[in-house]
Amino acid sequence: KQEVTQIPAALSVPEGENLVLNCSFTDSAIYNLQWFRQDPGKGLTSLLLIQSSQREQTSGRLNASLDKSSGRSTLYIAASQPGDSATYLCAVENQAGTALIFGKGTTLSVSS
Amino acid sequence: DTAVSQTPKYLVTQMGNDKSIKCEQNLGHDTMYWYKQDSKKFLKIMFSYNNKELIINETVPNRFSPKSPDKAHLNLHINSLELGDSAVYFCASSPRGAEYGYTFGSGTRLTVV
Repeated sequence: KQEVTQIPAALSVPEGENLVLNCSFTDSAIYNLQWFRQDPGKGLTSLLLIQSSQREQTSGRLNASLDKSSGRSTLYIAASQPGDSATYLCAVENQAGTALIFGKGTTLSVSS
Repeated sequence: DTAVSQTPKYLVTQMGNDKSIKCEQNLGHDTMYWYKQDSKKFLKIMFSYNNKELIINETVPNRFSPKSPDKAHLNLHINSLELGDSAVYFCASSPRGAEYGYTFGSGTRLTVV
């Protein structure tokens, strides 16, 4: 059964730092992997989607990588800002339409 | 022009009541889902429907019954509400292809008192 783990559970950094959030999954036969952001009391905002055939995706200051063979993904945030403070969720889909399986998230706090 | 919309946004009700949460997507996606986010913020799949057909039914009490009248709608009906049902419920949808990913609604915060 697929399990998704995110490390660290919480992270506090000063503004301007580059940081890495980690995600690991137990079954490497995934269809795709998606990173989300969730602000307190809000819904999920999709950040990046990596298909199983891809190695990385970039959007602005965000870069997500995928290593299927080792069951790992990282989300790199460059030059962090206070507005980046949120919970970041990693989720994998084993097969098309079989539902995303989520990790428990990393709560990021960026101080000014 | 909201992609996945849920109503209501907040729902406060007494134990034993029956309530429904509605979800609609205008993205033309084939599959819709219901997720539950518990007090520890963990998101867990409850149900999924593909073109009105039930695909996934995780270990959820049979007090919870999803209903999909058409491909664009997936409603969640809950009978005999219990205190432990208090959570945030998210609706989501996904297309047939892998390149687009899932889109989530803004959630319904259910509080059972």
